[in-house]
Order: sequence, then C-alpha cells, then structure tokens
Amino acid sequence: SQQGEEDPQALSIQEGENATMNCSYKTSINNLQWYRQNSGRGLVHLILIRSNEREKHSGRLRVTLDTSKKSSSLLITASRAADTASYFCATDDSNYQLIWGAGTKLIIKP
Amino acid sequence: EPEVTQTPSHQVTQMGQEVILRCVPISNHLYFYWYRQILGQKVEFLVSFYNNEISEKSEIFDDQFSVERPDGSNFTLKIRSTKLEDSAMYFCASSEGSYNEQFFGPGTRLTVL
Repeated sequence: SQQGEEDPQALSIQEGENATMNCSYKTSINNLQWYRQNSGRGLVHLILIRSNEREKHSGRLRVTLDTSKKSSSLLITASRAADTASYFCATDDSNYQLIWGAGTKLIIKP
Repeated sequence: EPEVTQTPSHQVTQMGQEVILRCVPISNHLYFYWYRQILGQKVEFLVSFYNNEISEKSEIFDDQFSVERPDGSNFTLKIRSTKLEDSAMYFCASSEGSYNEQFFGPGTRLTVL
C-alpha cells in the first residue's frame, strides 16, 4: 500500500505568500519526515516529527501531525523564490525504511 | 557540516554490465540506506544496512543487487547485470539511529543503454 500521498500535486503562489502542503498516510508510523528536492538534485531533510508530537517549527517551516486522521501538513511562511522545489513527505514503518509520496511541486512566482 | 557524499555523480553503462555506486555516509551514523528514483516517479526504498548486514530490503532489491561496507567509511551498491529499467537516480542515506532523520547524498544518476 502507498504511504505518504501529498496534495496538491502542484502549487503556484506569489512570493511572500504562505504555502501549505498536505500529506496523508495509511498505516501506523513512528515518525514522518518532510524533504525538499530541487529539480534533478538531491533530497534535503527539512523536519522530522514523531508520532507523539503534534506540531514542530523550524525557521519558516511549520509541520503538524494528526495521527487520528493520518495526515500531516507543511506550512512555509513568507515564501521566497528559492523555496521553489518539490516537497515530499516520507513515513517510516516498523522496518526503518522510508515510504515516499509523489510530492508537491511548489512554484514561487516573483 | 557533515554530509553524505556519493560518487560518481553520473554513470553511463551498457545493459548487462556491472556497476558499483559508492557512498560515504556521515561518520558517526550507524544506519545506511539506498533508495532510487526513476525519472518523474516516487522515491523507492531499496535496502537498509546496520551492523554489517542488511536489515530490510524491498522487492526491487533482487539477486542482481548487493551492498557492502568494505571499510570503515564506504558503503557501496552493486548491480550485477544492469537492465534498461535500472536507469534512475540512486540515493544513499544514513542516520544515527533507526528512527532518526535520514540524511541523503546528492545521488548518482545511472543511465543504462
């Protein structure tokens, strides 16, 4: 079964606006991680939120986790052109591996 | 800041050839992983490695694949006889613990002709 399905698939906003991306998953998790990937490049770790946490902040990033709904959201505040990238959520299962969603492609228009 | 490194950045090979992709995980990390991403598709887990043995592997990781930690720093992925469908970006990752953040290398783009 697929874990970590993000929505929307694509999001285009003006610089300075906030961007919200959502992720849903199917099975129990230990933690959920958000990553960024610039086109054709590597995966950059953004935030890890554990199953017993509800919200976490890092700079302009805010992640929430609702285990009852099996969903998470990533909020980027005051977006910048450099935030243009694909954003993925990845959930772990009991066997350490990360299961990935298809990602949200975020475009920040100047 | 410590980071995961991978070499080469791009590997082109003929179908049927063997390739070895190399990774140097972050030095104090104990868990190592390989993932792949076929162009335009999701990142897929291949294998995790701890204490000099495979912890978990996916269905993709068949007998054509193997991993090794030949010394204290390198972590390699070998594909014995490459197929066209092995063309993908291969990412190595490492983490301190089993449920910690996984840090990824920049990837090796493998092209099988």
